[in-house]
Amino acid sequence: DTAVSQTPKYLVTQMGNDKSIKCEQNLGHDTMYWYKQDSKKFLKIMFSYNNKELIINETVPNRFSPKSPDKAHLNLHINSLELGDSAVYFCASSPTGQLTEQYFGPGTRLTVT
Amino acid sequence: SQQGEEDPQALSIQEGENATMNCSYKTSINNLQWYRQNSGRGLVHLILIRSNEREKHSGRLRVTLDTSKKSSSLLITASRAADTASYFCATRSPQGGSEKLVFGKGTKLTVNP
Repeated sequence: DTAVSQTPKYLVTQMGNDKSIKCEQNLGHDTMYWYKQDSKKFLKIMFSYNNKELIINETVPNRFSPKSPDKAHLNLHINSLELGDSAVYFCASSPTGQLTEQYFGPGTRLTVT
Repeated sequence: SQQGEEDPQALSIQEGENATMNCSYKTSINNLQWYRQNSGRGLVHLILIRSNEREKHSGRLRVTLDTSKKSSSLLITASRAADTASYFCATRSPQGGSEKLVFGKGTKLTVNP
């Protein structure tokens, strides 16, 4: 009974392709996130949704488009992949509120060749 | 912009020793959290300390917070090989108005058996 799951775990693709990463949480949380972790382990938030509504949209290229069909799912679609998109992408979720911890998925390692 | 900065970047100790990691941040916060990341895995929440708290314990973990110095420390006592991981501090600021954690670059801890 995985709390936050992501698919796929590994994604290898060529420049210019379009790909999607899926995330699901079974914790009943209202808020979900996408983070990008670069090769130096720096973790930066990309997007956040609360009850299917976009609430955080950091400075991310328009090629990245999140979609939340319901509050348990948050998918990330990336168009026209570039070499610099290679990273580990983490999905996370949390209950609403400031004094809450976040629960992370296992990550998707994206390699663009 | 990056909020937390962990120090040291890397730490190598022997099993049984204590490990201390520090985190400094720039703006006022309403809470600070510590996370652990094992190699190839997602982040796991360890402990949350509120801005009006000075110290918190959880098992072998002890976290302190000094808001006047904008710094926090994580102490792991009687370390074990299984504690080998990267440790991140993350801050939540009241100015954000949204559910956003800002992570530091992490401290890579190696506990040698």
